Amino acid sequence: GEQVEQLPSSLIVQEGASVLINCSYTDSASVYFPWYKQEPGKRLQFIIDIRSNMERKQNQRLTLLFDKKTKHLSLHITATQPGDSAIYFCSASSPSGSWQLIFGSGTQLTVMP
Amino acid sequence: GGIITQTPKFLIGQEGQKLTLKCQQNFNHDTMYWYRQDSGKGLRLIYYSITENDLQKGDLSEGYDASREKKSSFSLTVTSAQKNEMAVFLCASSEWGEQYFGPGTRLTVL
Repeated sequence: GEQVEQLPSSLIVQEGASVLINCSYTDSASVYFPWYKQEPGKRLQFIIDIRSNMERKQNQRLTLLFDKKTKHLSLHITATQPGDSAIYFCSASSPSGSWQLIFGSGTQLTVMP
Repeated sequence: GGIITQTPKFLIGQEGQKLTLKCQQNFNHDTMYWYRQDSGKGLRLIYYSITENDLQKGDLSEGYDASREKKSSFSLTVTSAQKNEMAVFLCASSEWGEQYFGPGTRLTVL
């Protein structure tokens, strides 16, 4: 079945820095890739997604790049703020299996003021 | 907007005990999911349901049962709690793709 690998497992940066979180998947049938953020004590929150017919998607300080050929995604966060501190999860899904999400293991981002 | 609620928020059980977690959603979504979140391992799918009375096993279904008696609710049962088990169980619902998550139930087994 699908496997999703996410790196790095943790990042510590100064406020204002940019960060890159990488994700790779194995199943070429996966077509939808949502990313989630989990702040301490809060529920998982959807932040951005991309479909396999796109190469790039931007939402304010978030840019998501997708390479179908290499089965690789990158989430770029610019101008980080302490409020961005959270665990970030990439995931992959396909219509077979009713869009069940296969998650990466998460990236713990800490932004120091 | 809708919301997903999970009860209880914290669940403490004894080894071998049968424990039930509940989830309610008012999005009117057809599909609901149960995930287990372990520290450092991301989320893993236990069960999902695409409609009332439907159940589909995920990769982590062994040791669990589920029940979808109404469209709005999805229950998960730990059939025999394992000693020192600690995890957070997350419920989610979706229509096409994007999933909305509940706040989680934190399980501790003594």
